[in-house]
Amino acid sequence: DTAVSQTPKYLVTQMGNDKSIKCEQNLGHDTMYWYKQDSKKFLKIMFSYNNKELIINETVPNRFSPKSPDKAHLNLHINSLELGDSAVYFCASSNYRDSGYTFGSGTRLTVV
Amino acid sequence: TQLLEQSPQFLSIQEGENLTVYCNSSSVFSSLQWYRQEPGEGPVLLVTVVTGGEVKKLKRLTFQFGDARKDSSLHITAAQPGDTGLYLCAGLGSNYKLTFGKGTLLTVNP
Repeated sequence: DTAVSQTPKYLVTQMGNDKSIKCEQNLGHDTMYWYKQDSKKFLKIMFSYNNKELIINETVPNRFSPKSPDKAHLNLHINSLELGDSAVYFCASSNYRDSGYTFGSGTRLTVV
Repeated sequence: TQLLEQSPQFLSIQEGENLTVYCNSSSVFSSLQWYRQEPGEGPVLLVTVVTGGEVKKLKRLTFQFGDARKDSSLHITAAQPGDTGLYLCAGLGSNYKLTFGKGTLLTVNP
């Protein structure tokens, strides 16, 4: 059983399109995250949700909108995609205020 | 903003050699985590250190948390090709946000 699963694994799309990435965790964790990893492998947090409530919202363009229908799911919707959005996006989960994140295997987004 | 500086950025060694990776910050963290990431996969947690001065061993890997809880090191003894990967340190701040260093890409040659 995959602990944190995100789909799709690869996403190639044109500039200006709108796309979504889905994430699900079956670990019973109460907190989920979206991280962006750039071409230099730097991981930067974008959003965090605890029990469906947004608790971290970094300086991210408002074209990025997270949605958490329940504590096991955290989706990321991106409007009007730009070339600079190309990166690998990772979903992760943990128990709030507890260390130890479990990451998904990533979604490689390429905007052309 | 809490920043973590990792060094070296790249490390290429021969099988059997020892190595140390450093993770430094001017900020205090409630805990420091080390992850290993392989190509095409997400980071996988190796260890969490919580107490200043704490030392944890995981087979040939030794992790240390600085006394002031601002820095950490990862020492690998007798490196093997299977140790190849991107090693990431990450600090859990007072706002419970996990901040990552920029990583050390380790290559162990047979």
